[in-house]
Formats: sequence, C-alpha cells, structure tokens
Amino acid sequence: KQEVTQIPAALSVPEGENLVLNCSFTDSAIYNLQWFRQDPGKGLTSLLLIQSSQREQTSGRLNASLDKSSGRSTLYIAASQPGDSATYLCAVRRDTGGFKTIFGAGTRLFVKA
Amino acid sequence: NAGVTQTPKFQVLKTGQSMTLQCAQDMNHNSMYWYRQDPGMGLRLIYYSASEGTTDKGEVPNGYNVSRLNKREFSLRLESAAPSQTSVYFCASESYYEQYFGPGTRLTVT
Repeated sequence: KQEVTQIPAALSVPEGENLVLNCSFTDSAIYNLQWFRQDPGKGLTSLLLIQSSQREQTSGRLNASLDKSSGRSTLYIAASQPGDSATYLCAVRRDTGGFKTIFGAGTRLFVKA
Repeated sequence: NAGVTQTPKFQVLKTGQSMTLQCAQDMNHNSMYWYRQDPGMGLRLIYYSASEGTTDKGEVPNGYNVSRLNKREFSLRLESAAPSQTSVYFCASESYYEQYFGPGTRLTVT
C-alpha cells in the first residue's frame, strides 16, 4: 500500500532563506508526483508536476526533484517570501490500474518578514 | 474561465439529514474526483469518475453516493449525514494526469 509522508509537519523560516520541503513514498511504482500549495480555507493549486521519467521540474523560484528509487521528492523554494506562507502537499499517482492518487498530509510553511 | 466550481461553500447539517454537494468544471476534462480533507490526514479519495456515465469507489466511499450528470458536473450526495462526515470536501478534475481543484465545501454535521 502506497504511503506518502511529509516531514516536517510545520516549518518557520525568516524571509529570504532558501528552504527544502520533503516528501517520501513507499512504493516506487508511480506514474507522476505533483506538488500543490494550499492557502488557509482555500483549494489546492498545482505548483509542479513531475513525470516518473523526469528527475526535476522548475517554475520560477520553485524546483522539484524526484528520485523514484529512493522514494523521495523535494521541493526547493529559493529566496522565500512572506507570500510563500501556505501548506504544501505532495501527491503521488500510481502507475497501475485505476486513478488513485495518494496525498501527503502536508508541510505548513510560515515565512517571517 | 471559472475552472472548477463547488457549491455550497459552507453547510451545517444535523445528523440524519441529507444533502448534495455540487461540482462543475468548464475545462472539458473527462476525469473528475471527490476528496475529503481532515486535519493531519491529507486528502482521501471518496469517488471518482473516469468519464461521463462512469463512477468508481475510492478509498472512503461509505456513506456517500455520486452522480456524473454530464461531462461538466459531478455531484456528491450524503444520504444520512453523520458527525464523522464533518470535513472539507474538494472536487477536482484532471487533464493529462494533472489535477485541478475547486475551492472546497466546509461541512459540519452536528
């Protein structure tokens, strides 16, 4: 059974710091991995999607990496800003049968001005 | 372009009452999903629909029913609400295995 873990559950950093959020999964047979941002009381916004054949994806100050063999993904945020404060979730999609996507519980990020 | 819309945004029910959560997408996506989000547990899949006219159970389907009315709309029904169904419900649609989410419905069952 696929399990997705995000550590730490919460993180507080000063503005301007570069930071890394971690996502680990137990079954390496994934189709893709998606990182989302969720603001309080809002829905999820897709940040980056990495296909299983890819090693990383970049969008602006965000870079996501994927290491299937070790069951890990990281989301790197450069030069963090208070506006980056949100909960970040990763989700993995299995590559066999059905449409099941498993979500981590998220990392709540607070960037202090 | 509205994307994925959900109604209502908030709802309070008494135990045993029924209600339907509505979801619509204007992106012409085939696949649609219903999730619930509970503190510390991530999102869990309730039901999904791979295409118009088809629905399948997800991880936590008990106590729920769904209808894929047409390509745009996918509704979730609680026939007899229970306090354990207090949660935030999200609808999502999908294109090329990338999911797009609605703003959510916050449901409280007392």
